[in-house]
Parts: sequence; C-alpha cells; structure tokens
Amino acid sequence: AQKVTQAQTEISVVEKEDVTLDCVYETRDTTYYLFWYKQPPSGELVFLIRRNSFDEQNEISGRYSWNFQKSTSSFNFTITASQVVDSAVYFCALKGGAGGTSYGKLTFGQGTILTVHP
Amino acid sequence: EAGVTQFPSHSVIEKGQTVTLRCDPISGHDNLYWYRRVMGKEIKFLLHFVKESKQDESGMPNNRFLAERTGGTYSTLKVQPAELEDSGVYFCASSQVSPNYGYTFGSGTRLTVV
Repeated sequence: AQKVTQAQTEISVVEKEDVTLDCVYETRDTTYYLFWYKQPPSGELVFLIRRNSFDEQNEISGRYSWNFQKSTSSFNFTITASQVVDSAVYFCALKGGAGGTSYGKLTFGQGTILTVHP
Repeated sequence: EAGVTQFPSHSVIEKGQTVTLRCDPISGHDNLYWYRRVMGKEIKFLLHFVKESKQDESGMPNNRFLAERTGGTYSTLKVQPAELEDSGVYFCASSQVSPNYGYTFGSGTRLTVV
C-alpha cells in the first residue's frame, strides 16, 4: 500500500524566515512520482512540482527548493525567505508508475498548514 | 485555456437529501478524477474516468455515491441520500493521456451536510 506522511500539521513562521516542510513516503513500486501541491485560501490545488523516482536531483525554482532522498524515502520542500503570500496548506502526494499498484491515482499526505506572519 | 471548473463551490444540504456535484475538465483531457478531503484529513481518491469509462472506482465509499461522465466530457458526482460524514471538500482533476505529468485540479466543492 502507498502512504505519505507529513508529520508537521501546522507551521508558523515570521516573514523572511526559511521553512522546510517534511514529506516521507512508502511504496513498493520501483517507479513512482512525487508531487507537491499548494492550496491557498481560495481553495484550488495548485501544482508545484513533479519528481520521478529515478531522478534524485534536487530542484530549485525561485524561493522554492525540493530535496529528494530516495535512501530515506523523503521529499522535503523548503521555502527560502518566506512571504505572507506563501501562507497556504501544502500537500505532498505520491503516484505509482505504469504497471504499479496505484497507477493513475494520487496518494496524499494530510497536509501542512503554513502561516507566515508579517 | 480554461482550467478545471467545479460547481457549485459550496453546498449545504440536510441529511437524507440528494446533491449533485459537477466537474468540467480541461477540454481534451481524457482522464478525470474525483478526490475528497474530509474533516481536515488527507485528500483521498474516489475514482478515475478515462473518457466515459470508469477506470478505477476503488475509492468510492459506498453505493450512495454515483459518478457519471456523459460522452467523456463533464462529470457528475451524486450523493443520495447524503449523510453527515459526507461533508468535506470534493475535488475534481483532469489530465491528458498520461497521468504521469500531473493533474490540474479544480477549486473544489465544499459540501456540508447538516
């Protein structure tokens, strides 16, 4: 069975602080995909990043960076110099590859509520 | 390009009533998914359409839920009769041929059963 754990239920930081959101996953699939989504107050789920299991390169996009560690089954997300607009719920998700046990459906973590105070 | 559209955005109904949620995917997206988030828990998969066919409905909680996708375009999710535990946010997502490249989600329908 697939499982995604986001141990941090809520995080509160002050603007300009760096913050890391943890994500740990479990899967028996050899090929799989990891995602991060942002849910702002408006409600929609906004896609942030997709990473496949055979690409362990870390990625940076502006103030956002992701650290994929296959050895520890983690896919952590860091926001550098946080801003008030980063306040949202962030979800980590996992999907099996073709032929895997969960191809086509995402398994989500419980989400981390991030509040950035001015 | 229009995104995934869901309506209504909010619905409050009494226990025992029927509610129908609608999702319009991105034009040309064959794959359509329904997900649900209940009471601040994780977002859970309900079902997956490929065009008008149900590819996977393993996440549907019980037979009070009925999903359809007419002609492979928009989809509806009917809850009949609604129960208190059905309250939550229902998300729809769509993707092109391969779901490996991510999904576009709608803004969700917040359903409250009182």
